[in-house]
Amino acid sequence: EVQLVESGGGLVQPGGSLRLSCAASGFTFSSYWMHWVRQAPGKGLVWVSRINSDGSSTSYADSVKGRFTISRDNAKNTLYLQMNSLRAEDTAVYYCQVDTAMASHWGQGTLVTVSS
Amino acid sequence: QLVLTQSPSASASLGASVKLTCTLSSGHSSYAIAWHQQQPEKGPRYLMKLNSDGSHSKGDGIPDRFSGSSSGAERYLTISSLQSEDEADYYCQTWGTGLVFGGGTKLTVL
Repeated sequence: EVQLVESGGGLVQPGGSLRLSCAASGFTFSSYWMHWVRQAPGKGLVWVSRINSDGSSTSYADSVKGRFTISRDNAKNTLYLQMNSLRAEDTAVYYCQVDTAMASHWGQGTLVTVSS
Repeated sequence: QLVLTQSPSASASLGASVKLTCTLSSGHSSYAIAWHQQQPEKGPRYLMKLNSDGSHSKGDGIPDRFSGSSSGAERYLTISSLQSEDEADYYCQTWGTGLVFGGGTKLTVL
């Protein structure tokens, strides 16, 4: 069974940093591209970033480019999102997501709140 | 530009059927999409991948009441025999540089 478990969310002040993690199991992590998707309170799903299977290629939404960095450790089956220069508008639940051969899979999400 | 358009809301009665629509932007009518369900206070749940020819592959445990179909740039999600637990937000999603999501449709079961 595919499992994605996010962690690392919390309350941070504007301008601060946070690193999210997504622990993956139940599939061959090193074979698949991974995504981060976020959802602000009461809003829809918004794609944030993606990374290819070996970590050599990344892509970001314009809203986070230059502030967020996606990475992965295939030996640890873990996906990361380093978030710097956080703003109030980054407040959201952050989900990791993967499209395997058979289906898409989501984690349960981790809440990031940016507030003073 | 790759854009998915969904109606913000829909409603139907308990036991009835409802058909939700996701429209692909011009020039992208051949794209496959995925449908995801998000029940209140829960994370998204994958329902199915839907191809331009109407063929679809559902996620594990998704009831037969959920089906997909396609026509041109339109992608549909039909839910039959509506149950109270079907009241949720439904998002379509496709693949561009990253993932592209529609704005979601809030389904109310009356």
